[in-house]
Amino acid sequence: NAGVTQTPKFQVLKTGQSMTLQCAQDMNHEYMSWYRQDPGMGLRLIHYSVGAGITDQGEVPNGYNVSRSTTEDFPLRLLSAAPSQTSVYFCASRRQGTQYFGPGTRLTVL
Amino acid sequence: TQLLEQSPQFLSIQEGENLTVYCNSSSVFSSLQWYRQEPGEGPVLLVTVVTGGEVKKLKRLTFQFGDARKDSSLHITAAQPGDTGLYLCAGEGYNNDMRFGAGTRLTVKP
Repeated sequence: NAGVTQTPKFQVLKTGQSMTLQCAQDMNHEYMSWYRQDPGMGLRLIHYSVGAGITDQGEVPNGYNVSRSTTEDFPLRLLSAAPSQTSVYFCASRRQGTQYFGPGTRLTVL
Repeated sequence: TQLLEQSPQFLSIQEGENLTVYCNSSSVFSSLQWYRQEPGEGPVLLVTVVTGGEVKKLKRLTFQFGDARKDSSLHITAAQPGDTGLYLCAGEGYNNDMRFGAGTRLTVKP
């Protein structure tokens, strides 16, 4: 049981490039979400999903897309990376109030 | 402006001292969670409180949910160096989204 896994662990992009952050969970949780963490601001919700085929916007969705084709996977796409998207990104899955976080992806946009 | 305000932002104490961290909001939450985060890792859930006025104890940690379900506190008795970390509170809204406070960074000196 691997829990929540995220890849890559580190990534450097140039402004305007696109990429996908991968997230997978093996706990059969319906609820999954993406957060970004910036110094002094805690975690901010980007997008979340309450089940396969259902996604919704969180607090800071602009510049990011998500899809949920399976229960296990919840990828986050950056369409055209900007320096303001430099951050640490965490994926999480949740069942009945217990939320599990992945180890994070540290993204730098130059 | 954070939906959840945590105080203090930083706290440095000696081993054996007691401390209280606060999490306040003007919004009502269906539940409130406390997490601890170590450097380079994702947050780890400590407790979920659901009922207004609820008190939960986890060894030397005591968590309280306000009667109106807008605020919460975390009290640590006889702090130890192993308690060092970033403590985050998070409130779950009635539409399934979750908002985090900016965190309290605790350092316990031996």
